[in-house]
Amino acid sequence: DGGITQSPKYLFRKEGQNVTLSCEQNLNHDAMYWYRQDPGQGLRLIYYSQIVNDFQKGDIAEGYSVSREKKESFPLTVTSAQKNPTAFYLCASTPGAAGELFFGEGSRLTVL
Amino acid sequence: ELKVEQNPLFLSMQEGKNYTIYCNYSTTSDRLYWYRQDPGKSLESLFVLLSNGAVKQEGRLMASLDTKARLSTLHITAAVHDLSATYFCAVEGSGAGSYQLTFGKGTKLSVIP
Repeated sequence: DGGITQSPKYLFRKEGQNVTLSCEQNLNHDAMYWYRQDPGQGLRLIYYSQIVNDFQKGDIAEGYSVSREKKESFPLTVTSAQKNPTAFYLCASTPGAAGELFFGEGSRLTVL
Repeated sequence: ELKVEQNPLFLSMQEGKNYTIYCNYSTTSDRLYWYRQDPGKSLESLFVLLSNGAVKQEGRLMASLDTKARLSTLHITAAVHDLSATYFCAVEGSGAGSYQLTFGKGTKLSVIP
């Protein structure tokens, strides 16, 4: 089955630690995205990548980093510089440069 | 900067009633998407509206797009409990911003027996 797999689903982190969230897709989509969702809020774009080895900052990139070494993989690192990282993180992809987003199941990060 | 506003943000309605959720956006766009999110879950695509006047229907939900008014509506007919969820609209930017969707804050719908 084609889809987007995010892992882990739940993650606890101590303050000052970096954590990496995995996102893998087998849809052969070109573009991939990371969004953050806070309770009662819409989605805010962190980073996106339209092609391999290239990515762009979204609206709230500070404290996050990404890489796109393979078409199917777009991991997100939440660094210690992110002051309020507790949130629900969603990875998504689209076949082309834009359009309808297909979402993974999400990763819920809690900072203790 | 593209801004997307949904209203209402919270909606409690009785089963069997009709209601409409509104999505307004601030700059020109021809592409708008509706998503559904159940509590603790990811987003599921409902409708893709790609031109002025587009209308899509699925079951008790119908979505429309008026690009001149910069308005989309999601109409609920004869609501049932299974429709309880949060509904998001998302607008695709144009020009340099066409690479991303901007989301509204969502409308949390509760259908009461």
